[in-house]
Amino acid sequence: SQQGEEDPQALSIQEGENATMNCSYKTSINNLQWYRQNSGRGLVHLILIRSNEREKHSGRLRVTLDTSKKSSSLLITASRAADTASYFCASEGAGSYQLTFGKGTKLSVIP
Amino acid sequence: DVKVTQSSRYLVKRTGEKVFLECVQDMDHENMFWYRQDPGLGLRLIYFSYDVKMKEKGDIPEGYSVSREKKERFSLILESASTNQTSMYLCASSAPGTGNYGYTFGSGTRLTVV
Repeated sequence: SQQGEEDPQALSIQEGENATMNCSYKTSINNLQWYRQNSGRGLVHLILIRSNEREKHSGRLRVTLDTSKKSSSLLITASRAADTASYFCASEGAGSYQLTFGKGTKLSVIP
Repeated sequence: DVKVTQSSRYLVKRTGEKVFLECVQDMDHENMFWYRQDPGLGLRLIYFSYDVKMKEKGDIPEGYSVSREKKERFSLILESASTNQTSMYLCASSAPGTGNYGYTFGSGTRLTVV
């Protein structure tokens, strides 16, 4: 399977600013998911957006999906130092339960 | 609190050893997965299982095998460990269709083969 790509690979912002990460994928999908990984740990599921949805919110997270461009974005508003982590998008291929992960965006939030 | 538990956080093994990585979930999930994570390469799927005694190859199965004798346990086996299998190994589980819940991951096992 082909991996998606996140953009940027690394992002450094000041606390209180918004962070935007982008993701592209290659095939038709059932849904697209975002995960967070703190250094050296497992991944934690943040939010899932289905292929027939365009936008979804969860607390300070906002996810958009554009299936015509095969792309998604994750916005974290009012960032905190505790948001420092790597963020991965993962696409669930149509007709499959498997996730294909991107390579991640490393976010650093400076206090 | 629902959990996926990987038996070891850190493991050091010698080249040629047979290595077992264990993963147990307490959520009664049908689907279980093994990934490896390497810098610059992201997560790559090794094997997955949709049911007991069932297994399917992922993208990079060479040098690995798996066992799923019980629904809650999914084991990854390195038949003869090699240095290029030094990596972070992540186990995950999910309910059919993932719904709104996605995958639940374990904390990972960092394996070093010397």
